Amino acid sequence: QVQLVQSGAEVKKPGASVKISCKASGYLSPSYGISWVRQAPGQGLEWMGWTSISNGATNYAQNLQDRFTMTTDTSTSTAYVELRSLRSDDTAIYYCARDEIGRGRLDFWGQGTLVTVSS
Amino acid sequence: QMTQSPSSLSASVGDRITITCRASQSIKTSLNWYHQEPGKAPTILISGGSDLQSGVPFRFSGSGSGTEFTLTISSLQPEDFGTYYCQQSYTTPRTFGQGTKVEIK
Repeated sequence: QVQLVQSGAEVKKPGASVKISCKASGYLSPSYGISWVRQAPGQGLEWMGWTSISNGATNYAQNLQDRFTMTTDTSTSTAYVELRSLRSDDTAIYYCARDEIGRGRLDFWGQGTLVTVSS
Repeated sequence: QMTQSPSSLSASVGDRITITCRASQSIKTSLNWYHQEPGKAPTILISGGSDLQSGVPFRFSGSGSGTEFTLTISSLQPEDFGTYYCQQSYTTPRTFGQGTKVEIK
């Protein structure tokens, strides 16, 4: 069955970097990409960007692209997101979700990774 | 820009409820609806404006095109509490609405 398994919670100081992983299994990757979505405490969902696990293509939300990099490892079907120069308002749950190419629906989600930025 | 209304509602089991999502420009039928229970990841309910996803109960339905969309729950059940989000997939960034929190009376 389709599974997206994310790495564990992180606590970071302001100015540091964090890298989160999302391992996909149970489906053929060429038809799908991975979108990253974050949710600050008590807030709504924010789409961060999209990446293809099969060829590494990316599309970033403009307000994050200076500090945010998505990468993929096709050999392990794993997507990564790295966020640099962390600020307190980056504290959030970060989700990866399977994103069907051409339709944009997020039909399977990872369990979420809590990133806490605190001095 | 996606705008949902209402931002919250309280309804009784068995009630019919409707949530509206408006886009700032036409997105054709590229509109998805998600449900999120507290402490859990969102789950998809409807894609393409009106396509019910596999395993989603038939009491959920979606309609609309262009700039105005609705999600209807025909008979609210206790497990339907939580927050509902619309999301446009017509263009990037794939913006979400701000959410509608549904409480069961």
